[in-house]
Amino acid sequence: NAGVTQTPKFQVLKTGQSMTLQCAQDMNHEYMSWYRQDPGMGLRLIHYSVGAGITDQGEVPNGYNVSRSTTEDFPLRLLSAAPSQTSVYFCASSRRGLYSGNTIYFGEGSWLTVV
Amino acid sequence: DAKTTQPNSMESNEEEPVHLPCNHSTISGTDYIHWYRQLPSQGPEYVIHGLTSNVNNRMASLAIAEDRKSSTLILHRATLRDAAVYYCILRDENTGGFKTIFGAGTRLFVKA
Repeated sequence: NAGVTQTPKFQVLKTGQSMTLQCAQDMNHEYMSWYRQDPGMGLRLIHYSVGAGITDQGEVPNGYNVSRSTTEDFPLRLLSAAPSQTSVYFCASSRRGLYSGNTIYFGEGSWLTVV
Repeated sequence: DAKTTQPNSMESNEEEPVHLPCNHSTISGTDYIHWYRQLPSQGPEYVIHGLTSNVNNRMASLAIAEDRKSSTLILHRATLRDAAVYYCILRDENTGGFKTIFGAGTRLFVKA
């Protein structure tokens, strides 16, 4: 079972470079989100999406763009990387439903270093 | 969004029970209480969830206070593999719970 797949797993960027972290899920989940986790810290929500064509900001959206053209994919774009964006990035998905206590499924993470 | 409060860290001996507390005094009637854990260098994984009644599964038990303002995750016999960060989060099922906020969690240390 693929679940939530993130690529790349590791990436080193120079300050000012741009890149896209890819996230794909094969569970037909409506909800997808991106979190970042700095060393020794908890998860912080960057952006989330409730369905194709619909995205919204989380706790720390500055410096990141997202789009959701299909149900399966939710890429995260860094337009001009900064050292403060050095972190581990996790993509997550869950299905929609009321009063169902839906489980969130996470990818394995993408380790990004900006030098 | 309702928030949760957890101790930064806890320590346990192997094969002893562990009780991880969580306070959520501003919980709403449609919030489910979820617990996730994050093993080193991995993404978080689901542990258990509940609304009002105590819940049991193969991984853990969840005890929910009668007023729902606090809950406790119970690991019945801690193993070294249970050393992880445990997150207590609230998911508003009335809105689908899509904007889920994680706190810092509780780092559990297990001693052999």
